[in-house]
Amino acid sequence: QSVLTQPPSVSGAPGQRVTISCTGSSSNIGAGYDVHWYQQLPGTAPKLLISANSNRPSGVPDRFSGSKSGTSASLAITGLQADDEADYYCQSYDTSLSTSVFGGGTKLTVL
Amino acid sequence: EVQLVESGGGLVKSGGSLRLSCAASGFTFNDAWMSWVRQAPGKGLEWVGRIKSKTDGGTTDYAAPVKGRFTISRDDSKNTLYVQMNSLKTEDTAVYYCVTSYDYGSGSYYNFWGQGTLVTVSS
Repeated sequence: QSVLTQPPSVSGAPGQRVTISCTGSSSNIGAGYDVHWYQQLPGTAPKLLISANSNRPSGVPDRFSGSKSGTSASLAITGLQADDEADYYCQSYDTSLSTSVFGGGTKLTVL
Repeated sequence: EVQLVESGGGLVKSGGSLRLSCAASGFTFNDAWMSWVRQAPGKGLEWVGRIKSKTDGGTTDYAAPVKGRFTISRDDSKNTLYVQMNSLKTEDTAVYYCVTSYDYGSGSYYNFWGQGTLVTVSS
């Protein structure tokens, strides 16, 4: 059971918008710690997609955006493309565990 | 270009030991805080531990499941990160990723990842 909760799967048609939620608690996201997002394409290592809730590293398209509110965060992907099919993970810090924590991951399927 | 290349993975019996290495290039390794993150087959990501730069004390932190069994170290003269894994358990079976760790007041994130090395612990 992950400390951060994500839906196991989401799907959308090409061109559509999807969102992936990441729900935490008062000991992590709600305590003010930032949320970061990673994209893991099939058979590859994860890649940083969004840092500090909403910042895109160089090279990440602006179709990807992040937000945070209260004890939750969201990743939005607009203009879905076939090569967006991947697993997406959120990550934050948990003050009770004193460790970095990841969500269980969400598999995005482009229909 | 940042490169992180892990090596040392393989098959080991339960109770055995293994040392993973990560050769780093393309950035100032001795200034970097580094972490290991693992991923069991078909499962999600799990933070394993971190080592600070020597100028920031060189201290280490570990996740509860590996504390006391794993030791992270670094050789800045070789731009190499290590993790010594002892008393291995079947649940340690995973791909182990070497990552650069950017730590700041509101948390930390992992901006560069290696390709990973597979560790399989058999019973």
